[in-house]
Amino acid sequence: DIQMTQSPASLSASPEEIVTITCQASQDIGNWLAWYQQKPGKSPQLLIYSATSLADGIPSRFSGSRSGTQYSLKISRLQVEDTGIYYCLQRYSNPPTFGGGTKLELK
Amino acid sequence: QVRLKESGPRLVQPSQTLSVTCTVSGFSVTSYHVSWVRQPPGKGLEWVGAIWKGGSTDYNSALKSRLSISRDTSKNQVFLKMNSLQTDDTGTYYCAKHNNYYWYFDFWGPGTMVTVSS
Repeated sequence: DIQMTQSPASLSASPEEIVTITCQASQDIGNWLAWYQQKPGKSPQLLIYSATSLADGIPSRFSGSRSGTQYSLKISRLQVEDTGIYYCLQRYSNPPTFGGGTKLELK
Repeated sequence: QVRLKESGPRLVQPSQTLSVTCTVSGFSVTSYHVSWVRQPPGKGLEWVGAIWKGGSTDYNSALKSRLSISRDTSKNQVFLKMNSLQTDDTGTYYCAKHNNYYWYFDFWGPGTMVTVSS
């Protein structure tokens, strides 16, 4: 199975700051990567698909990028409602595998 | 409006079989893939398996020997059955609809919490 190593495991930032979360794939997965946000007690919500494409209804302060087998989610101008746990997901090969998650808290 | 809703038992005894139903509306299970994803309490997400729109299935290899996913197209329902449950199968079980264009899950049910305990 492809391993997705996500970092950091947690971070705390202030409103209006910029934060970056990364996922390192254990092998080449092309652009077959998505990012999800999960708020406490809720189902995950799709933010980014195909590594860089913004999902419908997602604010443009969220963006995705790729450098080789490292993928990044950048949140610009952090807002209070961005609190939650963020997961990456690869679907290059079966089984699809998630990163371990990054817990984002606002100061 | 796309909706998915999981239903099933809250408590299952060890070694028994879990049966969870995903009832969908706003789309047909013959037109979109549906996956199951689970999440142990306080932990991350794990893909369990999927039933593709054509009716074939794929399972997480770690769970394959215990899993069965099926559907009733007349009722627009997808079923998850997992046998020989152990305590580490405790968690929230979600069903999720795939997007046909980019494959990833674009709509999720609220999840159903299952506890495996005697």
